[in-house]
Amino acid sequence: AQSVTQPDIHITVSEGASLELRCNYSYGATPYLFWYVQSPGQGLQLLLKYFSGDTLVQGIKGFEAEFKRSQSSFNLRKPSVHWSDAAEYFCAVGSGNTGKLIFGQGTTLQVKP
Amino acid sequence: DVKVTQSSRYLVKRTGEKVFLECVQDMDHENMFWYRQDPGLGLRLIYFSYDVKMKEKGDIPEGYSVSREKKERFSLILESASTNQTSMYLCASSSAGTSGNNEQFFGPGTRLTVL
Repeated sequence: AQSVTQPDIHITVSEGASLELRCNYSYGATPYLFWYVQSPGQGLQLLLKYFSGDTLVQGIKGFEAEFKRSQSSFNLRKPSVHWSDAAEYFCAVGSGNTGKLIFGQGTTLQVKP
Repeated sequence: DVKVTQSSRYLVKRTGEKVFLECVQDMDHENMFWYRQDPGLGLRLIYFSYDVKMKEKGDIPEGYSVSREKKERFSLILESASTNQTSMYLCASSSAGTSGNNEQFFGPGTRLTVL
C-alpha cells in the first residue's frame, strides 16, 4: 500500500539558515509527489509538485524539492529561511488512478529570530 | 483566482446534534474531498466524490455522511455529533481524471468543537 513518512515531527531553525524537510514514500509505480504548506489557522497551499522529468523541482516562496527514486525520497529545501516560513508542511503522494492524495503526518517548522 | 470556501471557520456544537459542514468550489472541479486533521495524524480522508450524487468512503467514514447534489457543493454531515469528532475539517477539490497527478485545492478549514 502507498504511504508517506515525514520522519521529523518538529524542526526549529534560525532565520537565515538553510532548511531541509524529509519525505519518504512507498509507491509501486512512478509517483506523483506534492509538498503543501499550512500557515496557522489556514488551509493547505501547494508549494510544488513532481510528475516527471527534471528531478529538481522549483516551487513558490523560494522552495525546491528533489526526487530521488533510489532513496524513495522527495525532500523539501530552502537555502535561507524567513520568519514567515513558520508553518506546518505536508508531503503527499498521488494514489494511482483514484485522484486521491496520501499525506504524511506533517512537519511543524519553527523559525528562531 | 481559484477558490474553495467553507461555510464556517469555527463551530461549536453539543453532543448528539446534527452538524452540517458545507463546502463550495468555483473551479468547476469534478472531484471533491473531505479530510479530518488532528495533531500528529496528518490529514485523513473521510469521504470523496467524483461526480454529482456519487460518493465513496475514505479511510475514516464512520460517524459521517456526505451529500453532493450540485457539482460545486459538497456537504459533510455528522448525524449525531460526539466529542471525539472535535477536529479541524478541510475540504478540497481537484479536476477530473483518475491519475494521481491531480493537484487538490483546499478551503480554509472549519474547526469544530463538540461539547
